[in-house]
Amino acid sequence: SAVISQKPSRDICQRGTSLTIQCQVDSQVTMMFWYRQQPGQSLTLIATANQGSEATYESGFVIDKFPISRPNLTFSTLTVSNMSPEDSSIYLCSVEQGRKLFFGSGTQLSVL
Amino acid sequence: QQQVKQSPQSLIVQKGGISIINCAYENTAFDYFPWYQQFPGKGPALLIAIRPDVSEKKEGRFTISFNKSAKQFSLHIMDSQPGDSATYFCAASMNRDDKIIFGKGTRLHILP
Repeated sequence: SAVISQKPSRDICQRGTSLTIQCQVDSQVTMMFWYRQQPGQSLTLIATANQGSEATYESGFVIDKFPISRPNLTFSTLTVSNMSPEDSSIYLCSVEQGRKLFFGSGTQLSVL
Repeated sequence: QQQVKQSPQSLIVQKGGISIINCAYENTAFDYFPWYQQFPGKGPALLIAIRPDVSEKKEGRFTISFNKSAKQFSLHIMDSQPGDSATYFCAASMNRDDKIIFGKGTRLHILP
């Protein structure tokens, strides 16, 4: 199973600022996934990050708001840009191995 | 047609009792049905999964029952323990490269 380290684990940010979340995997993976989990809600896929190509965004999510980097097969970052209180959520990175998803512990983001 | 409907939204069970969470789907192309368990402050973790060619899968106290004709599947937790208190998500996917669809989650609380 994959071990995923995600940081920061939580942050409190001011409106209008940006936060970059880092995700490190202990093995090489082709695709990494970024999810958002709003309070008491299910998991919503933001985008899929492939190494060497642009990320693929789901409906309702755009690159300008959630730019993603994927510089190698073990690392990815998600930036939440120009934040507003509506961006307060848990952000999770994930990888798939044999149709099983492995998740990081998440980043609890609060925007004031 | 891509939805997975999960019920109940929350559930309280006495210690030692049976916890039952139900899910229903529409798309008959789904061929993999996992359940994820999430504790507060942690990312979801795969608990158990089933494919539609079997009607039941058991791992310890956790059992998935699958009814292909009714397009329903359920998670049964036998001898429920306070340590089982968590949020449970059912999910479905249709092939290796397709994204996974999550239910809205069930918050389970086991009374000591």
